[in-house]
Amino acid sequence: GIQVEQSPPDLILQEGANSTLRCNFSDSVNNLQWFHQNPWGQLINLFYIPSGTKQNGRLSATTVATERYSLLYISSSQTTDSGVYFCAATSADSGTYKYIFGTGTRLKVLA
Amino acid sequence: EAQVTQNPRYLITVTGKKLTVTCSQNMNHEYMSWYRQDPGLGLRQIYYSMNVEVTDKGDVPEGYKVSRKEKRNFPLILESPSPNQTSLYFCASSGAYDQPQHFGDGTRLSIL
Repeated sequence: GIQVEQSPPDLILQEGANSTLRCNFSDSVNNLQWFHQNPWGQLINLFYIPSGTKQNGRLSATTVATERYSLLYISSSQTTDSGVYFCAATSADSGTYKYIFGTGTRLKVLA
Repeated sequence: EAQVTQNPRYLITVTGKKLTVTCSQNMNHEYMSWYRQDPGLGLRQIYYSMNVEVTDKGDVPEGYKVSRKEKRNFPLILESPSPNQTSLYFCASSGAYDQPQHFGDGTRLSIL
């Protein structure tokens, strides 16, 4: 099955800094999504982005499906951005509709 | 309010005692799924359901059963729980498999 690798695994930022989180795939994928798990454990969908670029406030995401990666940009980070960021996708070639998650990037934003 | 509701939120039980974790969504979503989250492993999909007629295995289905008798509910059944099923479980739903997933608040299971 496909492998999903996220980098960096851990990131510490000062409030106001910008960051880029990366998600690499071992094979062709569909239905790429980004999630944020806050410190209370809740999982929030940030983007459904199978291709192209989307923006939502200080967050934006880009998926280049042909090169098997997706990027999540966080600008002017705030302490509320802390938590774990996951990407997930379905395999384009497996004929199934199951989602594979990466192991996440743990972000801590310092005041 | 649109939501995915899981119950119970916390459960401590013993090996072999059958348990069911319920999941209900009020968004008329077709696609529902169950995940488990373990430290260092991210989320792994247990089962998913495309609609009330189609359910399929995810990556870690062993020891679990699911049922999709009606669109809004998707219970997770552990018929003979074992300690290696101690984990944090999430239910999720989306309009279809190719739409954003929305998660419940999670159920923390401890099996002694």
